[in-house]
Amino acid sequence: DAGVIQSPRHEVTEMGQEVTLRCKPISGHNSLFWYRQTMMRGLELLIYFNNNVPIDDSGMPEDRFSAKMPNASFSTLKIQPSEPRDSAVYFCASSVGQGGTEAFFGQGTRLTVV
Amino acid sequence: SQQGEEDPQALSIQEGENATMNCSYKTSINNLQWYRQNSGRGLVHLILIRSNEREKHSGRLRVTLDTSKKSSSLLITASRAADTASYFCASPRQGSGGYNKLIFGAGTRLAVHP
Repeated sequence: DAGVIQSPRHEVTEMGQEVTLRCKPISGHNSLFWYRQTMMRGLELLIYFNNNVPIDDSGMPEDRFSAKMPNASFSTLKIQPSEPRDSAVYFCASSVGQGGTEAFFGQGTRLTVV
Repeated sequence: SQQGEEDPQALSIQEGENATMNCSYKTSINNLQWYRQNSGRGLVHLILIRSNEREKHSGRLRVTLDTSKKSSSLLITASRAADTASYFCASPRQGSGGYNKLIFGAGTRLAVHP
């Protein structure tokens, strides 16, 4: 298996633009997590899905952030409109079961909003 | 941090020395996990210790868990320059419906000098 695949690896965008980050989890994993990592705040859990259903989105910072998982092999995290303070590395991770077990991380998307 | 706190925040040692990192957590757990992150990369799972275990080994890694003190430690023996990375502890937090979200500590930055 290729592991968790995220795209793009790097994204530079202007303030106000829409940004869409993509994630393909490991086949057979039914839990999917989106994290954001910054120097100031560390690794924050934004949202997690189980069997394509959003279970907890309490970490989503604002209404500008939204996430979807239309099927078991694809998820998106969208920021609209983007702001400079959204600049961070965004990670997607997947695991089996109802979470709580070993999580497999993608390589991350480094987002820079200028 | 959202769940765990690691200390020290940074650790600098010479090759061959042992490195010990500590993690404290706040709520009851059924397992605790340690991850490694190389610069610019995603997190990689190292080891999982269950709440009914006190110690676990994997190669040069030794993890202990003290549930009475809500703390864990990661020991890397005979460190190598390639061990230079950030190390995170993580624990599942159970929400409604029995689903678990994995919450990470702030991490320890380890530098191993040749």
